[in-house]
Amino acid sequence: GQQLNQSPQSMFIQEGEDVSMNCTSSSIFNTWLWYKQDPGEGPVLLIALYKAGELTSNGRLTAQFGITRKDSFLNISASIPSDVGIYFCAGIANFGNEKLTFGTGTRLTIIP
Amino acid sequence: EAQVTQNPRYLITVTGKKLTVTCSQNMNHEYMSWYRQDPGLGLRQIYYSMNVEVTDKGDVPEGYKVSRKEKRNFPLILESPSPNQTSLYFCASSSQDRYGYTFGSGTRLTVV
Repeated sequence: GQQLNQSPQSMFIQEGEDVSMNCTSSSIFNTWLWYKQDPGEGPVLLIALYKAGELTSNGRLTAQFGITRKDSFLNISASIPSDVGIYFCAGIANFGNEKLTFGTGTRLTIIP
Repeated sequence: EAQVTQNPRYLITVTGKKLTVTCSQNMNHEYMSWYRQDPGLGLRQIYYSMNVEVTDKGDVPEGYKVSRKEKRNFPLILESPSPNQTSLYFCASSSQDRYGYTFGSGTRLTVV
């Protein structure tokens, strides 16, 4: 299947810092999604992107759909303790909801 | 409350003993899907269903079966579990007019 490369694999930051992570693919996706997974829970959808170049915000989170349609970026501003978790990008290649391809995740840890 | 419910949350079983993980959603969603999550590999799709009696293979279907006899239920069946199926499993559902899945809380399966 298709592969999504997500980086970095892990991040250790201090509270209040901004965070950036990205996801790249060798093939085009028509929709990009960003999920967050808390320990012991399933992933929860944060942001959905539908058009190349689109920039969408959800509170302190901002995500962008890359112009080439082969990448996407997620930024978190002024991180807080509840931001801790694993962030996943996911792409949909076709115009249907049946198949999401997930990245390998970025684990975010906040150092006290 | 709108949700995807999986059972059991934890399961330890022996090689070769058939098991079923149940999944139910109360949102009248058309799409349902099963993923497995393994360290360093992210979430990989096992099977998906676009509606009742319509199922198809994902990226890692070997050793698994599914059925979709009713819209709300999508059980995952392991006819003869093996240790390499030890993993964290997630069921998810989505409506056909909105991208992005709603995930259950996961089933941690250990096959010894």
